[in-house]
Amino acid sequence: GESVGLHLPTLSVQEGDNSIINCAYSNSASDYFIWYKQESGKGPQFIIDIRSNMDKRQGQRVTVLLNKTVKHLSLQIAATQPGDSAVYFCAEVKGNTPLVFGKGTRLSVIA
Amino acid sequence: DAGVIQSPRHEVTEMGQEVTLRCKPISGHNSLFWYRQTMMRGLELLIYFNNNVPIDDSGMPEDRFSAKMPNASFSTLKIQPSEPRDSAVYFCASGGRISTDTQYFGPGTRLTVL
Repeated sequence: GESVGLHLPTLSVQEGDNSIINCAYSNSASDYFIWYKQESGKGPQFIIDIRSNMDKRQGQRVTVLLNKTVKHLSLQIAATQPGDSAVYFCAEVKGNTPLVFGKGTRLSVIA
Repeated sequence: DAGVIQSPRHEVTEMGQEVTLRCKPISGHNSLFWYRQTMMRGLELLIYFNNNVPIDDSGMPEDRFSAKMPNASFSTLKIQPSEPRDSAVYFCASGGRISTDTQYFGPGTRLTVL
């Protein structure tokens, strides 16, 4: 079941390679940032977050990098697997307001 | 934990009919969010509640849309009358004590208005 747009930026990677998904944000006053993963037919799922006073945070097979100078956020996935195929959203958080989601990037893993 | 539960999972209706989407948040979560996802607009926040009180409904497209949260374990999103342009996937998400805490999404309701 489709639940995301067909005109998203798409990143195709070979299984086993590393993936880097990028996100530009606009609000320099954001408190923290979150990456979500949305598989086909499902709702978005939390992956990892990073506070605005950090530059890097690592999880299991994922690393998020934050460059506040150029307002850029990236999600790195090590040893990409077929199960990583999904749409990835970055979201900004500021104060007591809800998340602001980006448009998303589709990751396709080639077996 | 069953996670966020939404019903129905799929709804097909005719233009002009009333549609009611239901959501049961994760127990203990105080914030609840309704989103709409379409090809053209992506993921849009429609309305969110904190402690059962609507905080911001500025994302609700028009008066045909209404949402309620009568108690901490149940919320509805109603569209009356429905129109073909309302066709989308509607997600409910719940979060912790702070409105901006990590949100946990339900599986969504795919609505098709003919």
